[in-house]
Amino acid sequence: GQQVMQIPQYQHVQEGEDFTTYCNSSTTLSNIQWYKQRPGGHPVFLIQLVKSGEVKKQKRLTFQFGEAKKNSSLHITATQTTDVGTYFCVGSSNTGKLIFGQGTTLQVKP
Amino acid sequence: GAVVSQHPSRVICKSGTSVKIECRSLDFQATTMFWYRQFPKQSLMLMATSNEGSKATYEQGVEKDKFLINHASLTLSTLTVTSAHPEDSSFYICSAPPRGGTWNTQYFGPGTRLTVL
Repeated sequence: GQQVMQIPQYQHVQEGEDFTTYCNSSTTLSNIQWYKQRPGGHPVFLIQLVKSGEVKKQKRLTFQFGEAKKNSSLHITATQTTDVGTYFCVGSSNTGKLIFGQGTTLQVKP
Repeated sequence: GAVVSQHPSRVICKSGTSVKIECRSLDFQATTMFWYRQFPKQSLMLMATSNEGSKATYEQGVEKDKFLINHASLTLSTLTVTSAHPEDSSFYICSAPPRGGTWNTQYFGPGTRLTVL
């Protein structure tokens, strides 16, 4: 079936370092969304990318959607301790169902 | 933003008992709600799609007789884990797109942590 692979599974960084997580889908996606889940919490919507090659920024976060609409990345510049959590990419299939990537858990050392 | 609530937030039950989890959309109507389960340090796995006024659609490998879903109104969907066993212990999360909106916009409930002894 349709899958969204996300790497790395875990990332430990020193505060101030950059962080990137990557997602790759087995099929073309209609759009991709990114969510953040804090420990013990529920996923919170960050952003949605729809267009091929789209790049969006939210302060220190940069989101990209690949030209083929099969891959995406989230880059955080100069991480802070508040960035700790698990980041999920979520692909939207042509049937409308959400397909979650495995998530990347980010730890930031102060 | 739109709010989705879940009740209870935590439940501990004995093996063999049934547990009902409620998912409510508080300030919008939802003809469709989704139920996910999440094992520790793993991603969310879609279990089923709950449809108001009709039968739920279950994902492959999910037993519909074990996980009963009822979507009786436009603001409430319930998931009942019947004859629960320790392997059913998990974090159950619901989500809902606002009625008339696309499934691209979904609001997640806070989740219910089920522990089966």
